Amino acid sequence: QLQLQESGPGLVKPSETLSLNCTVSGASISSSNYNWAWIRQSPGKGLEWIGTVYSIGNTYYNPSLNSRVIISIDTSKKQFSLNLSSVTAADTAVYFCARRTESFDYWGQGILVTVSS
Amino acid sequence: EILMTQSPATLSVSPGERATLSCRASQSVSSNLAWYQQKPGQAPRLLIYGASTRATGIPARFSGSGSGTEFTLTISSLQSEDFAIYYCHQYNNWQTFGQGTKVEIK
Repeated sequence: QLQLQESGPGLVKPSETLSLNCTVSGASISSSNYNWAWIRQSPGKGLEWIGTVYSIGNTYYNPSLNSRVIISIDTSKKQFSLNLSSVTAADTAVYFCARRTESFDYWGQGILVTVSS
Repeated sequence: EILMTQSPATLSVSPGERATLSCRASQSVSSNLAWYQQKPGQAPRLLIYGASTRATGIPARFSGSGSGTEFTLTISSLQSEDFAIYYCHQYNNWQTFGQGTKVEIK
């Protein structure tokens, strides 16, 4: 059974970089049939796609976040990662990692990240 | 960016009744639309993709229809476990989500 698990700090200071990892188990992260995504959910903005990474490393980002986002993949560790720079309080949200075929068919449980000094 | 608008914001339904949820796209997304169910403290769960195909393990009481800009999710006979928030998601042009419809007990 495929499982995804987010990990990382739950509190980040304003202007710093938010860094999260997603560990995939129960399926191959290297398969070309899937790609891997970060999505966040905040009360003010609902569900927001952040970006997607393919197993070969190609990335696609939400244009509204493009200048601040880097998503990478490490197939040897069965992990993909999110870095979001220059965070503000508006980046406070629950961050989900997910597998994408076309829709998002498997999700992690989510991790709350609060941006506060 | 394609804007997804869901209606109504809240739907009050009695158990056993039918629920009909709508999702409208600001431009055509073909059939590249999915529906998700989310309960408090949980991640969204995929119900429908390709506008009308049920995901693995999803009961037959959930059905999706539509194409282009107008989509519907129907729950034929609401069970207690179906009271939740439902989101539509277009993946035709990048990815955007609707703001959700909360299905609550009447």
